[in-house]
Amino acid sequence: GAVVSQHPSWVICKSGTSVKIECRSLDFQATTMFWYRQFPKQSLMLMATSNEGSKATYEQGVEKDKFLINHASLTLSTLTVTSAHPEDSSFYICSAGLAGGRETQYFGPGTRLLVL
Amino acid sequence: GQNIDQPTEMTATEGAIVQINCTYQTSGFNGLFWYQQHAGEAPTFLSYNVLDGLEEKGRFSSFLSRSKGYSYLLLKELQMKDSASYLCAVHSGGGADGLTFGKGTHLIIQP
Repeated sequence: GAVVSQHPSWVICKSGTSVKIECRSLDFQATTMFWYRQFPKQSLMLMATSNEGSKATYEQGVEKDKFLINHASLTLSTLTVTSAHPEDSSFYICSAGLAGGRETQYFGPGTRLLVL
Repeated sequence: GQNIDQPTEMTATEGAIVQINCTYQTSGFNGLFWYQQHAGEAPTFLSYNVLDGLEEKGRFSSFLSRSKGYSYLLLKELQMKDSASYLCAVHSGGGADGLTFGKGTHLIIQP
């Protein structure tokens, strides 16, 4: 099946710093990738849709200036959490679909962010 | 709005069968997914239904009724490793939209 990787898997940072998370589709090209966030014992919440070569589409309530998304190529999307605060501590997961999201979405292993 | 409901927790016995239900009310419907998620890990794909009926895949089966806004995941011959959260998710967008997830059902398998 399709493989999606994320890097880093774990990150601890100080409040006020920025953190970049990479999401890569390893064996297929993904024109669209999705970024989700999951707080402890909560479900996954879609944050934004990352489109290659164009601006990301953010869900209601997600600050686009705080969560910067860059989809530079067909295999790479990055999420930068700017000026991170402790409340941004969460599990960030990306996914990519083989057919623009209409079919199965494959998830990356996730990145656990802890902001001190 | 989007609403997906599933039980918070279920308990079953090793070797038995368990059915996890999911009901949804969404603005559109392009398919329903079931994912398995172990604690601290990303979800892994189990099944996808877009038409009414039953999809069987080994020990796992998933059923969909679009008219009722209802799906279930059936797990047979339960094993201890099946202890996990099971997430129901709907693709409701007309284009390449992300998934809307239910809160997940935490399944506990007892010996």
